[in-house]
Amino acid sequence: GAGVSQSPSNKVTEKGKDVELRCDPISGHTALYWYRQSLGQGLEFLIYFQGNSAPDKSGLPSDRFSAERTGGSVSTLTIQRTQQEDSAVYLCASSPRTGDGFGYTFGSGTRLTVV
Amino acid sequence: AQSVSQHNHHVILSEAASLELGCNYSYGGTVNLFWYVQYPGQHLQLLLKYFSGDPLVKGIKGFEAEFIKSKFSFNLRKPSVQWSDTAEYFCAVNAKGSQGNLIFGKGTKLSVKP
Repeated sequence: GAGVSQSPSNKVTEKGKDVELRCDPISGHTALYWYRQSLGQGLEFLIYFQGNSAPDKSGLPSDRFSAERTGGSVSTLTIQRTQQEDSAVYLCASSPRTGDGFGYTFGSGTRLTVV
Repeated sequence: AQSVSQHNHHVILSEAASLELGCNYSYGGTVNLFWYVQYPGQHLQLLLKYFSGDPLVKGIKGFEAEFIKSKFSFNLRKPSVQWSDTAEYFCAVNAKGSQGNLIFGKGTKLSVKP
């Protein structure tokens, strides 16, 4: 598509429930990133995928968080047993590949509220 | 580990005032540097980037940034701001040649009074 598409745009869930957030990157972009944006905290890196390489999961805050990328395209971020501190905007970005000078194209994000 | 500091949390200016937003990074090697902007209700957009060459980089909407290696800085400037520049601005860095992700600062909110 023309841009990075994320769904849903808003999600309200009860504490303890699982949620899935979806990201559809720009066609042909091999690198895909997930970030979390909390008020006053800037952007916190979560995970990134580059082609068929093993993902870099170093930013995932706990084992309740996981992500996969099927067929090198669409990615799903899953949060199990959600907690109130998981409330944030979850941003997905893609780039043609990792490496020098490639900026990211961001999606509009999914605003997650855990009540 | 790399880190990015944006010293100003919230900047308030009147239209036509000059703008300079500070960004300092912590990393011993060579880097790529970026500024992103997030207008109210919109997604993050790339404003400008530096990866080699002239350390004075010009971006969209009259913004520019200067990479000063000796100061580990990449400050964003605009000679005369407009109300439409009201947004949050994020500085970001990654290590040159790396396969790593961008490290972002916490952002600076700019409010421009008409």
